[in-house]
Amino acid sequence: DSGVTQTPKHLITATGQRVTLRCSPRSGDLSVYWYQQSLDQGLQFLIQYYNGEERAKGNILERFSAQQFPDLHSELNLSSLELGDSALYFCASSVTGGLWETQYFGPGTRLLVL
Amino acid sequence: DAKTTQPTSMDCAEGRAANLPCNHSTISGNEYVYWYRQIHSQGPQYIIHGLKNNETNEMASLIITEDRKSSTLILPHATLRDTAVYYCIVPPGQNFVFGPGTRLSVLP
Repeated sequence: DSGVTQTPKHLITATGQRVTLRCSPRSGDLSVYWYQQSLDQGLQFLIQYYNGEERAKGNILERFSAQQFPDLHSELNLSSLELGDSALYFCASSVTGGLWETQYFGPGTRLLVL
Repeated sequence: DAKTTQPTSMDCAEGRAANLPCNHSTISGNEYVYWYRQIHSQGPQYIIHGLKNNETNEMASLIITEDRKSSTLILPHATLRDTAVYYCIVPPGQNFVFGPGTRLSVLP
């Protein structure tokens, strides 16, 4: 158990819909990262937050957005969902989000878009 | 970004040492080598990381060559529960780039 929690574990929705994935970092960690893992793409970095501020952006679509709240939990919002958005979404956390810092991953949310 | 190269798959007998190699010939002097593993579709699990010296923890040992161009992750006594995809990562900064990794199968 890494100490990172994610909800829900599974999510089934339809194309065009919007969903919100939630992540709570390890106690004491200030930085949160979001990753997407689909069958044909492997694990892809989406976005990083540190203490409520966006710090780094990866391959995140414009239909996706994220935020980190004052209590340090983070939410990833996926809108106008397409079939290709079906994937595992992982959240990770680290202490300060600095360079070469160990990231601890949550169990993931499996999203299925029908 | 330092690119890593790992074998696609490996087999190991239960109880034997599993040695997983990784090439990172373009690594910079201040870049760390990280190892993670992913069991089935669970979240990636941190194993170990190092800069120059060999490292050991309760899960594994990491041997980094003197020129830092390659490393080997050693699981000293592999069990069936060590069957997973193992990722060798040299992060350029905050962002971890996961390649296809090595699929390790521990056989009874």
